[in-house]
Amino acid sequence: DAGITQSPRHKVTETGTPVTLRCHQTENHRYMYWYRQDPGHGLRLIHYSYGVKDTDKGEVSDGYSVSRSKTEDFLLTLESATSSQTSVYFCAISAGLAGVSREQFFGPGTRLTVL
Amino acid sequence: QQQVKQSPQSLIVQKGGISIINCAYENTAFDYFPWYQQFPGKGPALLIAIRPDVSEKKEGRFTISFNKSAKQFSLHIMDSQPGDSATYFCAASPYNTDKLIFGTGTRLQVFP
Repeated sequence: DAGITQSPRHKVTETGTPVTLRCHQTENHRYMYWYRQDPGHGLRLIHYSYGVKDTDKGEVSDGYSVSRSKTEDFLLTLESATSSQTSVYFCAISAGLAGVSREQFFGPGTRLTVL
Repeated sequence: QQQVKQSPQSLIVQKGGISIINCAYENTAFDYFPWYQQFPGKGPALLIAIRPDVSEKKEGRFTISFNKSAKQFSLHIMDSQPGDSATYFCAASPYNTDKLIFGTGTRLQVFP
């Protein structure tokens, strides 16, 4: 497995509380991504980063923010969690177009429940 | 906005049979088409990928067929095994980007 860890792996929180999910990689890959996975929707891109402090919005970015202060860490923050944000969140990394392949490597996921 | 449509949603196949999952895309500016396999409780992992300059790619029991004019691509799993039981996602990457747009997934169950 690619060196990707996500923390926490499970979290239950209440509506209106802030939540931060962490993705940590040991591969020194330039690109990092946050996806959410929901039944019937597959994987949808929330935000991605193409370098330290370089981030951009994905398909479903409303209600989420991200930060990347170091190559190895990519944080996803829900400023005020809502029940619609109950989901499984996956972090992914890739070497990007400059790499040998365009493969994205996924972390183990974080299951978030917002009550 | 679903740019990659995947079918069927679920598939049940007997051991030794052929599993076929189909995807169609709308945007012609895609240049990379991977398939990911996901087991319960795990993150997706790349299974096989194809670029639009070839019509077929085979890796072991897994084959991607690509029809550029129809904007369709499919995954064929030959001699399906119970260990192939997983959820499969097709995806497409816009030209010269590192982003992936995923289909909605197909849950495959292979029975002995």
